[in-house]
Amino acid sequence: SQKIEQNSEALNIQEGKTATLTCNYTNYSPAYLQWYRQDPGRGPVFLLLIRENEKEKRKERLKVTFDTTLKQSLFHITASQPADSATYLCALDNDYKLSFGAGTTVTVRA
Amino acid sequence: DTGVSQDPRHKITKRGQNVTFRCDPISEHNRLYWYRQTLGQGPEFLTYFQNEAQLEKSRLLSDRFSAERPKGSFSTLEIQRTEQGDSAMYLCASSLVQGHQETQYFGPGTRLLVL
Repeated sequence: SQKIEQNSEALNIQEGKTATLTCNYTNYSPAYLQWYRQDPGRGPVFLLLIRENEKEKRKERLKVTFDTTLKQSLFHITASQPADSATYLCALDNDYKLSFGAGTTVTVRA
Repeated sequence: DTGVSQDPRHKITKRGQNVTFRCDPISEHNRLYWYRQTLGQGPEFLTYFQNEAQLEKSRLLSDRFSAERPKGSFSTLEIQRTEQGDSAMYLCASSLVQGHQETQYFGPGTRLLVL
């Protein structure tokens, strides 16, 4: 069956450190993968999209990697700030609709 | 604000009542999606429209759910005879399809509580 798994535990990190989130999937062949941020009670906000033929993508302090052989994406937040505290969702292209993981909650301590 | 908007933001209803939610997408976007999200889970796909045509419905969408997108602009999602299990956040997203790549932009959601 199809499955998308993100870090099962919430991530608590010190300000200034790098947060690394994982997204593993099985029985999908996504043409692209996206990462979203979601704050409590709000809709997801798009952060980054990476295509299957791209290994890495960066945007400001964010970096995403995509390994179609391992069926894994890594999401990094460098120089983390308390304002980065949120839930981060991995989403796979599934014939245009998106299939989401359950998300990883990140808390950045000042 | 030119983002996706949803109305109402919150809805409390009694079991058995009908509810209707509205979504206004980003104006130039041709695709509109509905998702449902329960606590601790990611959004789950319900249905989507290309312009006014409803192209796919999830098996999650029972006969009590119906969605429309008249004239290919705003969309409504109606739930008839609500059940407590329908309590969730209902999210709308829109996108502009360019090749085989699209970014979906989400609205703030409508939180439904069925008592």
